[in-house]
Amino acid sequence: DVKVTQSSRYLVKRTGEKVFLECVQDMDHENMFWYRQDPGLGLRLIYFSYDVKMKEKGDIPEGYSVSREKKERFSLILESASTNQTSMYLCASSPSPVQTVLSPYEQYFGPGTRLTVT
Amino acid sequence: AQSVTQLGSHVSVSEGALVLLRCNYSSSVPPYLFWYVQYPNQGLQLLLKYTTGATLVKGINGFEAEFKKSETSFHLTKPSAHMSDAAEYFCAVRGGGFKTIFGAGTRLFVKA
Repeated sequence: DVKVTQSSRYLVKRTGEKVFLECVQDMDHENMFWYRQDPGLGLRLIYFSYDVKMKEKGDIPEGYSVSREKKERFSLILESASTNQTSMYLCASSPSPVQTVLSPYEQYFGPGTRLTVT
Repeated sequence: AQSVTQLGSHVSVSEGALVLLRCNYSSSVPPYLFWYVQYPNQGLQLLLKYTTGATLVKGINGFEAEFKKSETSFHLTKPSAHMSDAAEYFCAVRGGGFKTIFGAGTRLFVKA
């Protein structure tokens, strides 16, 4: 089974702190994603990466950055946490179409990190 | 551009009743369509998917969905609801590049 793990389930940080959220997948997937989930808004894409050291902005990248130094690990960084970044953060990975015929674009999610910024 | 609309942010059914969660999509490329389920305080997990071939797709836990190209719909159904089906359900469509576009979600309540 594909496993996607996230470093923390719950996190409480203070305004202005630098926050690191880590995500690791064990299936050699090329693509990795960070979403935030807020009630009534569904999942909004923050950043994604389709290869090591490659990243692209999603729909709401402001206030966030990412790092992908190894294929299995994708980190989300809040440079200076603010209260409006209080949310559930979900990491996902997916194989590229060249990696699979059966399940292209299918995403595998971690359990999520509920971040509270006070 | 691709988009997904889920009709109804909340749906309530009685245990044993039919579950119907509605999803309409738009896509400029052949669609890959997905339904995901999220239980409280967990990540999303795949229920079922349509890529090509048979338009009636069966998933886990007795759910199924039918791809109707003419109606641009991919509604999720289950003949008989169980209390354990209470969760949030997300419809999704392949987006541009490697992305997936998610709907806003429908929370399913199951009454005893």
